[in-house]
Amino acid sequence: KQEVTQIPAALSVPEGENLVLNCSFTDSAIYNLQWFRQDPGKGLTSLLLIQSSQREQTSGRLNASLDKSSGRSTLYIAASQPGDSATYLCAVGGIGGYQKVTFGTGTKLQVIP
Amino acid sequence: DAGITQSPRHKVTETGTPVTLRCHQTENHRYMYWYRQDPGHGLRLIHYSYGVKDTDKGEVSDGYSVSRSKTEDFLLTLESATSSQTSVYFCAISESTGNQETQYFGPGTRLLVL
Repeated sequence: KQEVTQIPAALSVPEGENLVLNCSFTDSAIYNLQWFRQDPGKGLTSLLLIQSSQREQTSGRLNASLDKSSGRSTLYIAASQPGDSATYLCAVGGIGGYQKVTFGTGTKLQVIP
Repeated sequence: DAGITQSPRHKVTETGTPVTLRCHQTENHRYMYWYRQDPGHGLRLIHYSYGVKDTDKGEVSDGYSVSRSKTEDFLLTLESATSSQTSVYFCAISESTGNQETQYFGPGTRLLVL
């Protein structure tokens, strides 16, 4: 059974700092990996999707990498802003569709002005 | 947001009563999903649908049933609500663009079972 871990559970950084969020998974036979953002009391917003054949994806100040062999993905946020404060979730897609997705429990990020 | 709405957004109910949550989408997506989110567990799949009248169980389906009589609506029913079903429920769809498939979520329903 796939297990997805996100460490740390919470992170507090000063504004402007570059930061890395980590996601590790136990089964490397994955279909894709998706990073989401969740604001308090809200649903999940898709940030980046990496297919299993890809190594990284970029969108603005965000860069996500994938290393299947080591079972790791990182989400890099450049020049953090207070508006980046949210919980970040990674979701590992198993082969067979989204019924095989396993979510991590998230990293709660606070960016201090 | 892929045109996903959920109703109600908040509900308080009593143990033993049936509860139905509704997910509505406006973009004709084939695949729809119901998840629950609980502290320390992340999101867990309850049921999913791959078309009208086509549904299947997810990881935590006990005590829940679903129905999909129209493409746009996916209903989740708690047959006899228990306190352990207090949670936040999210509906999602998956959308294919080229060779990529991305999941999009609704705003969630907060359910409290007393």
